[in-house]
Amino acid sequence: EIVLTQSPGTLSLSPGERATLSCRASQTIDSKYLAWYQQKPGQAPRLLIYGTNRRAIGIPDRFSGSGSGTDFTLTISRLEPEDFAIYYCQQYGNGNSPRYSFGQGTNVEIK
Amino acid sequence: EVQLVESGGGLVKPGESLRLSCAASGFTFSTYSMAWVRQAPGRGLEWVSSIDSRGDRIYYADSVRGRFSFSRDNAKNSLYLQMKSLRAEDTALYHCVRLLNGYYEYWGQGALVTVSS
Repeated sequence: EIVLTQSPGTLSLSPGERATLSCRASQTIDSKYLAWYQQKPGQAPRLLIYGTNRRAIGIPDRFSGSGSGTDFTLTISRLEPEDFAIYYCQQYGNGNSPRYSFGQGTNVEIK
Repeated sequence: EVQLVESGGGLVKPGESLRLSCAASGFTFSTYSMAWVRQAPGRGLEWVSSIDSRGDRIYYADSVRGRFSFSRDNAKNSLYLQMKSLRAEDTALYHCVRLLNGYYEYWGQGALVTVSS
């Protein structure tokens, strides 16, 4: 089973700053199957990025994804007040028995 | 507008059973794979089970295999998660999710399942 490790656990930043979130996989994964989600308190997660760097419908361009192999990054170029939330990475392994795993999350909080 | 509405959550004792339902609307339900993802209180996300568009292929996380059963009724645009032999560690908010190419495209708000004596 592929384990995703996100860092840092908590990121304390001010509005307008740049946020860089890391997701490291325990083995190489297909970049087509790496996604990022945003979750705000009391809400369901929302898809932000799929296929490593493709923005989902309605996601502003200040959100971008990059990476390959085992190292992936979500970047928020300039934090808006509504961006303070928990972010999860997720991968999909399409073997004989599909497996989906999530990272443990990065909490982006207001400094 | 895609809508996924879960129901059937509640408080049960360890060892008891519960059945969750998910009503889908706003898209051609019969053409999409679907999944359940759960989130324990204050914890992260965990994939529970997934089903292909016709209900022919169903997969389960190791933590629920043999206890949970996932099914769908394309005529009713509905999903069902039958949960048996529930344990305290199954306590979570269960989200119904639309799948696309391995990622979770749309999420329901969830149904809360609490397993406690």
